[in-house]
Amino acid sequence: DGGITQSPKYLFRKEGQNVTLSCEQNLNHDAMYWYRQDPGQGLRLIYYSQIVNDFQKGDIAEGYSVSREKKESFPLTVTSAQKNPTAFYLCASSMGRNTGELFFGEGSRLTVL
Amino acid sequence: DQQVKQNSPSLSVQEGRISILNCDYTNSMFDYFLWYKKYPAEGPTFLISISSIKDKNEDGRFTVFLNKSAKHLSLHIVPSQPGDSAVYFCAASAGGTSYGKLTFGQGTILTVHP
Repeated sequence: DGGITQSPKYLFRKEGQNVTLSCEQNLNHDAMYWYRQDPGQGLRLIYYSQIVNDFQKGDIAEGYSVSREKKESFPLTVTSAQKNPTAFYLCASSMGRNTGELFFGEGSRLTVL
Repeated sequence: DQQVKQNSPSLSVQEGRISILNCDYTNSMFDYFLWYKKYPAEGPTFLISISSIKDKNEDGRFTVFLNKSAKHLSLHIVPSQPGDSAVYFCAASAGGTSYGKLTFGQGTILTVHP
């Protein structure tokens, strides 16, 4: 089945540690995105990539990094510079030029201890 | 600055009745609007969308209305079913090179009682 796979589903991290969240899609979509959800808030865009080897900062990129070496993969690294990393992280993808319909993965919940 | 707002954190409706979820936006560059449904610990799933050139779009039990002059959109679910209980997010896009860069509202928790 085509879809987006995020791993791990749950992750615990000590303060000061970097952690990488995986996102893989087999939908042959050009664009991929990372969003963050906090309680009582909407989803906020962290980074997005429209093509391989290119990515752009979203609204809350500070403390995060990404790479896009393959079309299928868009991993997100939460660095120790991120002040409030505990959140629910969602990866999404879309066909290249569309009006915004995104397909989301099931999410990864990161908790900093 | 919250460009997309859902002012009702929650809505409770009886099964079979109409559910109306509201959303307001401030950015006049938004030209495409979407509604997503989300269950706990899952990713959102696309429900319905509307382009700014239309004022209504229907898909089965779901209808989205857009009032551009008021910068307001609403999602109507008729009839509501218990399985519709979820968090509903409205989202907006400015299109062009901003495709996929959705701005989301805070969400409204819909509870449909049997």
